[in-house]
Parts: sequence; C-alpha cells; structure tokens
Amino acid sequence: DAKTTQPTSMDCAEGRAANLPCNHSTISGNEYVYWYRQIHSQGPQYIIHGLKNNETNEMASLIITEDRKSSTLILPHATLRDTAVYYCIPGTGGGNKLTFGTGTQLKVEL
Amino acid sequence: DTAVSQTPKYLVTQMGNDKSIKCEQNLGHDTMYWYKQDSKKFLKIMFSYNNKELIINETVPNRFSPKSPDKAHLNLHINSLELGDSAVYFCASSPRGQYTEAFFGQGTRLTVV
Repeated sequence: DAKTTQPTSMDCAEGRAANLPCNHSTISGNEYVYWYRQIHSQGPQYIIHGLKNNETNEMASLIITEDRKSSTLILPHATLRDTAVYYCIPGTGGGNKLTFGTGTQLKVEL
Repeated sequence: DTAVSQTPKYLVTQMGNDKSIKCEQNLGHDTMYWYKQDSKKFLKIMFSYNNKELIINETVPNRFSPKSPDKAHLNLHINSLELGDSAVYFCASSPRGQYTEAFFGQGTRLTVV
C-alpha cells in the first residue's frame, strides 16, 4: 500500500478556499487518489478521486501533480460544516482495504 | 432514505456477552464491508463480502463472525465480548467494479464494560 503524508491539522476561515495537501510518493501506476472525510461522530464520506487528471465535482476539486507523487484537495468556499478529518487514500477503489491514515483535521472558523 | 444503515447506534454490554450489529444498504451494491475505528481513531477494514461471499478477512479474532443473508445485508456477530472490543464499527458498501467509491453507515459505538 502506498504511504501518505498529510498535515496533522489546518485552519481555514469560512468562505475562503481550503487547500489540503497530501504526499503519496510511493503510489502505484494503477492506484487512484481517493479523498474521504469524517465529520465528528459520523461515518467517512467519499469526496472525490482521480488518477492523473485534475478532477472537480460539486464538493471539491482535486489537483494531482504530473509525477503523481502529491495531490491537493481544494474546498473552494469552506463552511463550518466542512470541519472534519480529511483522508487522502491511494487505492484501486471500492471499500477494499481502504487504508485510513491519521488524516488532516480541518477546522473552519468564522 | 438512509443509504447504509446500521443498528443499533449505541451498544453497551458486559464482558462475555454475545451481541450482533446489523447493516443494510439500499443502494443495490454488490460489496459490503465492516470497518473498526479504535479509540485512537484509526479505521481498519475487518471483512469484505461480495455477493454474500467472504472475500477479505483481515486478522480478526474468531469471535467476530460476519453473516450475509443477502447482498443487501451484512451483519456482524461478536461472541464473548472483551473490553478491547470497545470501538466504533462502521458498515460500508460499494458498487461492482474497480475505482468506485465506498458509502459508509453512521457507525455503531460498542462499549464493553
């Protein structure tokens, strides 16, 4: 399994963009980068995933470097409800052996 | 409609008891999972079922036995509960194929006293 490195915590002002980085230098060629988040006392929630192209959906944007060794999750206009632990997970999808690391605790403040 | 639902949400029981946690998904997914989140918040997969067949069984004590009566349900039965079994257990499901996403339930907080 590819190892990941994420900041332990980040703060963001409400309404501003939250940029969450992740290093995954050992990612395999067939592994996508998945992002999940876990709001306090809830189950993990899928956000977005990508292979090598940048991706955008209604929740977030995902920027993957050309060498695929790192990526950044962007929440364009963070709200208080985005306060959560964000996990970057290289993998081949589904729920098979999703390896949740320690993630980044994002705190969105007024 | 809740996509992946677990019952109960909270479970407090004494050591040595046997308990079950139920999980149902109404997404039509073929694959279901059980994850355990310990007190340090680490989430680890326990079991994976595809169309009622066990495909992943991580190093989990034999006291834990998953049962899938049909592909929409995956229940977790735990025998002879121990203090160390206290954790939050999450059920999840995903559609067929690679590169799909997983949908998680809200979790069952099990406390063994």
